[in-house]
Amino acid sequence: QVQLHESGPGLLMPSETLSLTCTVSGDSIYSNNYYWSWIRQPPGKGLEWVGAFFYTGYSYYNPSLKSRVIISGDTSKNQFSLTLTSVTAADTAVYYCARLVRGTDYSFDSWGQGTLLTVAS
Amino acid sequence: DIQMTQSPSSLSASVGDRVTISCRAGQSISNFLNWYQQKPGKAPKLLIYAASSLQSGVPSRFSGSGSGTDFTLTISGLQPEDFATYYCQHTYSTPPWTFGQGSKVEVK
Repeated sequence: QVQLHESGPGLLMPSETLSLTCTVSGDSIYSNNYYWSWIRQPPGKGLEWVGAFFYTGYSYYNPSLKSRVIISGDTSKNQFSLTLTSVTAADTAVYYCARLVRGTDYSFDSWGQGTLLTVAS
Repeated sequence: DIQMTQSPSSLSASVGDRVTISCRAGQSISNFLNWYQQKPGKAPKLLIYAASSLQSGVPSRFSGSGSGTDFTLTISGLQPEDFATYYCQHTYSTPPWTFGQGSKVEVK
């Protein structure tokens, strides 16, 4: 059974760069069957899809974040990462990594437990 | 981007009630519609995929219907563990794959 685990800094100051890593176990990110995504949730608010990585190396991004975000994969470590530049208080959120199954499902069937990022001076 | 609109944003219900949550897409998304349940402090959990398919391990009191632009999540016989927030999400075509704003089911 696949497991995902997020890791990151927890606290950043405004204008800094966020780097988050999702470690995947029980499955390979180098697979045609999945997209590997980041989804975030500000405190008390709804879910926002941030972006997704495909094993070919191509990534998709939320247009609202596209100028600041990069999602990449490291198949040797079976990890994928989120880089978000110039963070502000609006980026304070729980960040989840999740697996989207392609095919008839096309749904996020597995999620990490989430990691809270707080942006404050 | 395809906008997803859920209604109601919140509702009050009692154990045993039949609960219905609606989700409308800004354009036709065929059946590329998923439903998730989220409890406080926890990651979302997939309930329904492809509009009406029940995810493995999810109780049969949960059901989904619809296609095109209008979709419904139904809980037939609300249980104490079902008080949570529910989100719809589309995965039609290329990203972004947007979520609805959520519908919170609260105790009456």
